[in-house]
Amino acid sequence: GIQVEQSPPDLILQEGANSTLRCNFSDSVNNLQWFHQNPWGQLINLFYIPSGTKQNGRLSATTVATERYSLLYISSSQTTDSGVYFCAVKGWETSGSRLTFGEGTQLTVNP
Amino acid sequence: DGGITQSPKYLFRKEGQNVTLSCEQNLNHDAMYWYRQDPGQGLRLIYYSQIVNDFQKGDIAEGYSVSREKKESFPLTVTSAQKNPTAFYLCASSITASGGYEQYFGPGTRLTVT
Repeated sequence: GIQVEQSPPDLILQEGANSTLRCNFSDSVNNLQWFHQNPWGQLINLFYIPSGTKQNGRLSATTVATERYSLLYISSSQTTDSGVYFCAVKGWETSGSRLTFGEGTQLTVNP
Repeated sequence: DGGITQSPKYLFRKEGQNVTLSCEQNLNHDAMYWYRQDPGQGLRLIYYSQIVNDFQKGDIAEGYSVSREKKESFPLTVTSAQKNPTAFYLCASSITASGGYEQYFGPGTRLTVT
């Protein structure tokens, strides 16, 4: 099946810093989502981005489908950005709409 | 408010007992999913359902069972055959199961079996 690799596994920032999270995947995809998991475990949808670039406030994402990677940018980070960020994909060859998740990036933003 | 509800938030059971986790959605989505998350790891798919009265096994279906009698509801039963049932369980839904459609998640149920 499709493989998803996220980097870095851990990231520690000072408030106000910028960061880039990366997601590599092993096959063509027709669904790619970025999620933020808050301390209570809730998965919050950040972006649905199988290709192209999107922006939402301080967050933006770019997926280069032909090169099989996606990037999540966080600018002017805040302590509330702390948590785990997951990338999840569905390959074109995958049946149904099942997502395969990466292991996540644990982000800690210190005041 | 449209969304996905899971109950209860926390669940404690003794080893050897079956337990059923509830998942309800009012988004009018056809497809529903159950995932399991262990500490420090990503989510793994247990079962999914593309339509009422139909469901398929995911990557880790052993020791679990599901039903889909209504479009809004997709309960998950963790049976005594599941060797390591303590985990965080998340339910999700999407408009359909074909192609690329955004999945939305419920708040999850933390199951502890002792």
